[in-house]
Amino acid sequence: AQKITQTQPGMFVQEKEAVTLDCTYDTSDQSYGLFWYKQPSSGEMIFLIYQGSYDEQNATEGRYSLNFQKARKSANLVISASQLGDSAMYFCAMREGRNTGNQFYFGTGTSLTVIP
Amino acid sequence: KAGVTQTPRYLIKTRGQQVTLSCSPISGHRSVSWYQQTPGQGLQFLFEYFSETQRNKGNFPGRFSGRQFSNSRSEMNVSTLELGDSALYLCASSLYRYLVGGRADNEQFFGPGTRLTVL
Repeated sequence: AQKITQTQPGMFVQEKEAVTLDCTYDTSDQSYGLFWYKQPSSGEMIFLIYQGSYDEQNATEGRYSLNFQKARKSANLVISASQLGDSAMYFCAMREGRNTGNQFYFGTGTSLTVIP
Repeated sequence: KAGVTQTPRYLIKTRGQQVTLSCSPISGHRSVSWYQQTPGQGLQFLFEYFSETQRNKGNFPGRFSGRQFSNSRSEMNVSTLELGDSALYLCASSLYRYLVGGRADNEQFFGPGTRLTVL
């Protein structure tokens, strides 16, 4: 089974609108971390937001928020007030708490296009 | 604080050759992980080094190898290159090996990548 599933290969959003990028995960660990990264066409992975499995509140970082539903094993990224510079690939990733060190599992990504 | 650096940024090789990529982590970070990114397979974990020892390895053939030096800089080597090795190779550094509390402790910082083209 896939550890991270992103079902939206591509998304379009109007500038200044909000958009939700979906992510579901699969793990039997009680302790794990969920991350979202942005990858512009330049290739560099830019960290956006992190949610720990024991965090009771949804994480927020500026215009980014993470809608964490533990029972459903989902960790959707919400981008509010979209900007043209938000156009990029977005990856959801997970790091498990067992002795797997720094191995991150990534989803296949969602390509977001912001329309002026 | 300087970020993760990778050299070279671009590389063109021919089948059968070998290649060495370099990664310098953020100062103080001892964990370095390598990932291969291709359009078909996405981001795949290659291996992780911590304190000069390989700690974890992904499902790649033995042609892919790496090492880490005492200053935490890491190199990965691919021998007998194949066309399918064309990819973006990303290096990432972390402060800790294991999941700990708090966002800043668990973040993995990525370098700009090395784009390898095998002809």
